[in-house]
Amino acid sequence: SQQGEEDPQALSIQEGENATMNCSYKTSINNLQWYRQNSGRGLVHLILIRSNEREKHSGRLRVTLDTSKKSSSLLITASRAADTASYFCANRGSTLGRLYFGRGTQLTVWP
Amino acid sequence: DSGVTQTPKHLITATGQRVTLRCSPRSGDLSVYWYQQSLDQGLQFLIQYYNGEERAKGNILERFSAQQFPDLHSELNLSSLELGDSALYFCASGLGRDSYNEQFFGPGTRLTVL
Repeated sequence: SQQGEEDPQALSIQEGENATMNCSYKTSINNLQWYRQNSGRGLVHLILIRSNEREKHSGRLRVTLDTSKKSSSLLITASRAADTASYFCANRGSTLGRLYFGRGTQLTVWP
Repeated sequence: DSGVTQTPKHLITATGQRVTLRCSPRSGDLSVYWYQQSLDQGLQFLIQYYNGEERAKGNILERFSAQQFPDLHSELNLSSLELGDSALYFCASGLGRDSYNEQFFGPGTRLTVL
């Protein structure tokens, strides 16, 4: 399976703290994407990092990619209660036209 | 708002029945992807259509079928429904044929099979 895996499965922090989520995948990739899902709602694209990039920033988000370790991390700085959601990584593997999603990290940010 | 619309929002039906889920992609997007999300299986890719033609197939059961129409909207047909088909069904749209760029997800259809 080319499905990715996020770690940890659940993360609980206080507002203002940083949240780090990790993602591992199994095959070579073209790009890796992070999505966010509020409970029972559609996924929202956060950031895309291509295989030739090592780090990318978008506002309070920082994504790193290590293709030698087949892993990525998503850092949310200065977290807010509104960041509470599930976060998924998805890789565009070798099979055309599809993304492989992990099971997600459930982030809870307490006010 | 992603620009992707899905109807209906909720669907409750009985085992053995058939339902149709509808998706309208974002304006300008030619690809439509269908996903199933359940607690035990996570987010599973079902099928992709690009400009009216099937492009990629995932874990889609034979009881399920899909199509994309000339106006680019797509329908997912689920037949001979079983309890295990209860899930959230998402469609997503994208500009190109392959997942080189982000996908835009609709709000989903929650299917409950009783």
